[in-house]
Amino acid sequence: SYVLTQPPSVSVAPGKTATITCGGNNVGRKSVHWYQQKPGQAPLVVIYYKSDRPSGFPERFSGSNSGNTAALTISRVEAGDEADYYCQVWDSSSDRPVFGGGTKLIVL
Amino acid sequence: QVQLVESGGGLVKPGGSLRLSCAASGFTFSNYYMTWIRQAPGKGLEWISYISGTTGYTVYADSVKGRFTISRDNANNSLYLQMNSLRAEDTAVYYCARRYGGTHLDVWGQGTTVTVSS
Repeated sequence: SYVLTQPPSVSVAPGKTATITCGGNNVGRKSVHWYQQKPGQAPLVVIYYKSDRPSGFPERFSGSNSGNTAALTISRVEAGDEADYYCQVWDSSSDRPVFGGGTKLIVL
Repeated sequence: QVQLVESGGGLVKPGGSLRLSCAASGFTFSNYYMTWIRQAPGKGLEWISYISGTTGYTVYADSVKGRFTISRDNANNSLYLQMNSLRAEDTAVYYCARRYGGTHLDVWGQGTTVTVSS
C-alpha cells in the first residue's frame, strides 16, 4: 500500500518560514492535500490539489509537489499556526485515501 | 451553512456494538461520497471507510473490514457506521467527512468519541 512520510515535528520562530515535507513514491504525480488540526478540533483542509486554498484562507499557506516530495510552506508564521499538519493523497491502485503520519508545527 | 454533526459515541465493552450517525445539512447530500475517519488518542488520522453517493459502493480499511458497516439514508441526509466486535484498539474520535472532487475531504464533523473498555 502507498505510504506517505512526514517528520514528527518542525520548529520555527514567529515571522519566519516553515516547511513541512511529505514524502512518497512519485508523489509528484498525485494531487496532495494538506490538513491543519488544532488541539481538540476537527481537521481543516488548508491546501488542496497541491496549491489551492479554501476561500478566505491566508495566502501565507502554499503547497508544492515534485518528484518524491510534497511540501506545505507557511510564510510569516504566527503563534496561531501552531497545530498538527497532515498530508493526504488518493491512492488510485487501492482506491482509498492515504494520510501521512502528521507533523506537529511548534512556534518557538 | 454546510455542516456535519456526528453522534452515537460512548463507552462500550470489548466485543460490543455501537452505531454512529452523521447528520448532514447545507448541501445536496446524495451528490457526494462520504467517509469515516478516526483518530486514536495521541495518534494520527486513519481513514476507515467510504460510501458512494447513490450506488451503495463501499470500501473499507483492512483494520475494520468484516466488523464495521457504512451506510447512508439520502432521504434523511444521514450517514451511519455500524461497529461490531469492538476492540480496545477501536478507541478513537470518529469523524465523518465529505469527499470533494474525488480526492480530498473538504468538510468535517466535530467528531464523536468511542471508548472500548471493560
